[in-house]
Amino acid sequence: GAVVSQHPSWVICKSGTSVKIECRSLDFQATTMFWYRQFPKQSLMLMATSNEGSKATYEQGVEKDKFLINHASLTLSTLTVTSAHPEDSSFYICSARDSVPGREETQYFGPGTRLLVL
Amino acid sequence: AQKVTQAQTEISVVEKEDVTLDCVYETRDTTYYLFWYKQPPSGELVFLIRRNSFDEQNEISGRYSWNFQKSTSSFNFTITASQVVDSAVYFCALSGHSGYSTLTFGKGTMLLVSP
Repeated sequence: GAVVSQHPSWVICKSGTSVKIECRSLDFQATTMFWYRQFPKQSLMLMATSNEGSKATYEQGVEKDKFLINHASLTLSTLTVTSAHPEDSSFYICSARDSVPGREETQYFGPGTRLLVL
Repeated sequence: AQKVTQAQTEISVVEKEDVTLDCVYETRDTTYYLFWYKQPPSGELVFLIRRNSFDEQNEISGRYSWNFQKSTSSFNFTITASQVVDSAVYFCALSGHSGYSTLTFGKGTMLLVSP
């Protein structure tokens, strides 16, 4: 149980285009999902917290107009990188927090999406 | 503010050796959760364990064991008889108890197990 999928796993795009990444909790409902960014050989950096049916909460320094987050259902959150530039190239990982008693506060992570902007 | 320190950046061992990954945390919360995640080269973070701050019992799961000591604010992870498949980056993380809590990650320890 507690499986999170992420799609696509790899994306290469041209500078200036927008890229949408989907994050799904497959076997549980997640009222809260998180989006992280990870640079090579570094730890995860939280970008935003996404709550179902409400606006996302962005961490300091993360441009909300550039990284659009939508959490339309209890099993799906999307991250859209708008007008992507080479500096946006990174590994993006989502996670979903389970609400089942005994598993609360545990975040389960998706497999990540590697974005390369040319 | 919360902080997680993993002082070991990289550890190299030979297969079958035991290895301990250190994790020290700081928090002002009285109730909190501690986690360990494994990130193999594929990139996906694999959940290993969650520990509530009120539960100081050590835990063993197969070759994995965890030592939680509140007195020293440590939550160390030991792999017994390491295997090549254990090679990965291991992250220790901390979260508060409220529904608005986020995870604070350490910088990770890269473990390389050679045959």
